[in-house]
Amino acid sequence: KQEVTQIPAALSVPEGENLVLNCSFTDSAIYNLQWFRQDPGKGLTSLLLIQSSQREQTSGRLNASLDKSSGRSTLYIAASQPGDSATYLCAPKEYGNKLVFGAGTILRVKS
Amino acid sequence: EAQVTQNPRYLITVTGKKLTVTCSQNMNHEYMSWYRQDPGLGLRQIYYSMNVEVTDKGDVPEGYKVSRKEKRNFPLILESPSPNQTSLYFCASSLDDRASVFFGPGTRLTVL
Repeated sequence: KQEVTQIPAALSVPEGENLVLNCSFTDSAIYNLQWFRQDPGKGLTSLLLIQSSQREQTSGRLNASLDKSSGRSTLYIAASQPGDSATYLCAPKEYGNKLVFGAGTILRVKS
Repeated sequence: EAQVTQNPRYLITVTGKKLTVTCSQNMNHEYMSWYRQDPGLGLRQIYYSMNVEVTDKGDVPEGYKVSRKEKRNFPLILESPSPNQTSLYFCASSLDDRASVFFGPGTRLTVL
């Protein structure tokens, strides 16, 4: 059974810092991996999708990497802003369109 | 606008009173799923559908039913809700296994 771990569980940083959020998963038989952000009490917003054959994907200040064989993914956020404050979730996708979620990293960026 | 919609967004009900949460997507997606989100347990898949009339159980299907009579709709049915089904529910859809998954805004359900 797939298990997803996200480290750190929480992070508080001053504005402008570059951040690294880590995600590890136990079963490498995945189609892809998706990173989401969730604001308190709100829905999930997709940030990046990395296919299992890809190593990296970029969107603006966000960069995600994937090492499927070792079961790791990293989300890099450059020049963090207060608007980046949210919970960040990683989710590898399995058969049945099933996303398996980690517990998330709660990010707070202080102005 | 491409989106997944859910209704109602908030619902308070009592034990045993049947309810349906509707989900609709306008992106012509094949795959649809339901998830529930609970503090400390994260998001877990309830049911999924890979096509019209094709549905299957996810990780926590007990107490729920679904149907997929049309491609765009995937309602979640609670025949006899219980307090342990109090949760935040999300509907999701994607084009196929390799595509991004899009989530609806969520339905906050409280069962008294």
